[in-house]
Amino acid sequence: QAGLTQPPSVSKGLRQTATLTCTGNSNNVDNQGAAWLQQHQGHPPKLLSYRNNNRPSGISERFSASRSGNTASLTISGLQPEDEADYYCSAWDSSLSAWVFGGGTKLTVL
Amino acid sequence: QVQLVESGGGVVQPGRSLRLSCAASGFTFTNYFIHWVRQAPGKGLEWLAFIPHNGNNKYYADSVQGRFIISRDNSKDTVYLQMNNLTTEDTAVYLCAREDNDFDIWGEGTMVTVSS
Repeated sequence: QAGLTQPPSVSKGLRQTATLTCTGNSNNVDNQGAAWLQQHQGHPPKLLSYRNNNRPSGISERFSASRSGNTASLTISGLQPEDEADYYCSAWDSSLSAWVFGGGTKLTVL
Repeated sequence: QVQLVESGGGVVQPGRSLRLSCAASGFTFTNYFIHWVRQAPGKGLEWLAFIPHNGNNKYYADSVQGRFIISRDNSKDTVYLQMNNLTTEDTAVYLCAREDNDFDIWGEGTMVTVSS
């Protein structure tokens, strides 16, 4: 099953802003949006943003999600060392009747 | 607290079967869909299957359709994943996740290694 497309890696400096992208199609991202998950090495994923771009309780305002057509974005402002992690997007694909994930983006905070 | 705990992983030979469990606590289990997702060593997340509240209309990824079966026992607040005819490609950490529109609660995962 075709997944969502994410850049493999992004590097940004401390206190800078990083924007991660996730590209899908009209059956998934453009249809219902994409959720964003953060995963630190050795830990399970953690939901950062729902598909409607709202943050779950307890998630920092430094994380904000948006969507334009087939592409969803996660912007992380004021980068901190603890933001260094893998980030995944996910969406329901109405054509496949399946959930799909992006391949993940490894964010490095320099 | 709200949590999901997976169990049942281990080392199994190719062609054999294994059943994983995902035990829920801290929330009203019957209100939620539950998913299984796996992550092969050093790889990304792969969605496998989900089961709705009443156990009907289950959905599977093409990669496991016909080999894996998801089920739930609402009296035990537990979801299962029966995995049959395992191959080395199935080696991964298997995680269950609660869906509240999206995957909002995850277990820690259980490791499955398929090896002769």
